[in-house]
Amino acid sequence: RKEVEQDPGPFNVPEGATVAFNCTYSNSASQSFFWYRQDCRKEPKLLMSVYSSGNEDGRFTAQLNRASQYISLLIRDSKLSDSATYLCVVTSSNAGGTSYGKLTFGQGTILTVHP
Amino acid sequence: DGGITQSPKYLFRKEGQNVTLSCEQNLNHDAMYWYRQDPGQGLRLIYYSQIVNDFQKGDIAEGYSVSREKKESFPLTVTSAQKNPTAFYLCASSIYGGLGTEAFFGQGTRLTVV
Repeated sequence: RKEVEQDPGPFNVPEGATVAFNCTYSNSASQSFFWYRQDCRKEPKLLMSVYSSGNEDGRFTAQLNRASQYISLLIRDSKLSDSATYLCVVTSSNAGGTSYGKLTFGQGTILTVHP
Repeated sequence: DGGITQSPKYLFRKEGQNVTLSCEQNLNHDAMYWYRQDPGQGLRLIYYSQIVNDFQKGDIAEGYSVSREKKESFPLTVTSAQKNPTAFYLCASSIYGGLGTEAFFGQGTRLTVV
């Protein structure tokens, strides 16, 4: 089983739609969670961190469910410019409580927003 | 401007040759990482380093080597032992390998074996 799993999609939605992505992780010791965005043939860039209480940034909402070991990303009022690959990222800590320094990426979910 | 720089952007290698990809950062970050991305796939970790003179293998380290002699630099060598090296290589850094720290990426190097 992969450490971090995402539905690769693609998700094809019209402008203005609401779309949600899920990501599951297998390491219960995972401590930090992020969503990154990657445009075609570019490097990934941080979209938002994911906090236990959930957090919102404009049209984007991230949620964490530690009991079920998944995180989600909700995009409201989709724009054409939201078309990209969305990567789920997890960091893990060792028994001593400090991080391995290892970021593990999911394979990404492709989103295409059409007019 | 602070950032992370990879060079070259495009690299062509003949079979049997070793090549070294450069990664430099001036963000004063302790942790650095190398990832490989193949078309339609996510990022796979090759090597990572949390401090100078120390590094750990990631999930696909075979056929690769790294060094971390300076905090700012984390070069990756793709050796002839790597059977399928054609890919997009991404270097990243974070303040430390700690919890909740964002990773910043370079623009990547596209390596093609000819």
